[in-house]
Amino acid sequence: DTEVTQTPKHLVMGMTNKKSLKCEQHMGHRAMYWYKQKAKKPPELMFVYSYEKLSINESVPSRFSPECPNSSLLNLHLHALQPEDSALYLCASSQGDWTDTQYFGPGTRLTVL
Amino acid sequence: GQNIDQPTEMTATEGAIVQINCTYQTSGFNGLFWYQQHAGEAPTFLSYNVLDGLEEKGRFSSFLSRSKGYSYLLLKELQMKDSASYLCAERDEAGNNRKLIWGLGTSLAVNP
Repeated sequence: DTEVTQTPKHLVMGMTNKKSLKCEQHMGHRAMYWYKQKAKKPPELMFVYSYEKLSINESVPSRFSPECPNSSLLNLHLHALQPEDSALYLCASSQGDWTDTQYFGPGTRLTVL
Repeated sequence: GQNIDQPTEMTATEGAIVQINCTYQTSGFNGLFWYQQHAGEAPTFLSYNVLDGLEEKGRFSSFLSRSKGYSYLLLKELQMKDSASYLCAERDEAGNNRKLIWGLGTSLAVNP
């Protein structure tokens, strides 16, 4: 099983809303990531969790707050977002080191109004 | 992406062969990934090369030359469903700073 699941598939939110994106994997992978992807651009790394600890934060604004409740779950809490934050948010996982082969979830298409 | 280069767009005909090239910086290099991404979907892993040579997986093959800082993805017997973006990503370990450097992607259009 090489599946990473993400919910919701689509999300529309206003700039004052608080919402969360969820990601789950049951492959026993120890590293999990959040990426942001704009149209016709490569994925842009946001956060890396390794063994449930935040190991990389790519200078992401504090309106994005990651959380790793356990080794299978990864959340991204959203608050006071801007329209320019509209994008495809991808979760990924890999077995060990974060530069190992990454397996991506289907993504959440986020629109901020 | 920084120091990693691939063509922006390519067009090919169904049933043909297409080669997508990727060049990267050689210092700190420790492997190269190829991913396929259909519009609006997540990237899916295609191949990983760390040693020189050709790796074949069905209709897809990936080649690496470490000395030249060059890789290519070869797609044979093209099908319409192969229309997608193809991303190369370099695993870079210069010093103690490990990172994955993504190319901007090559958008492949397969025509009937």
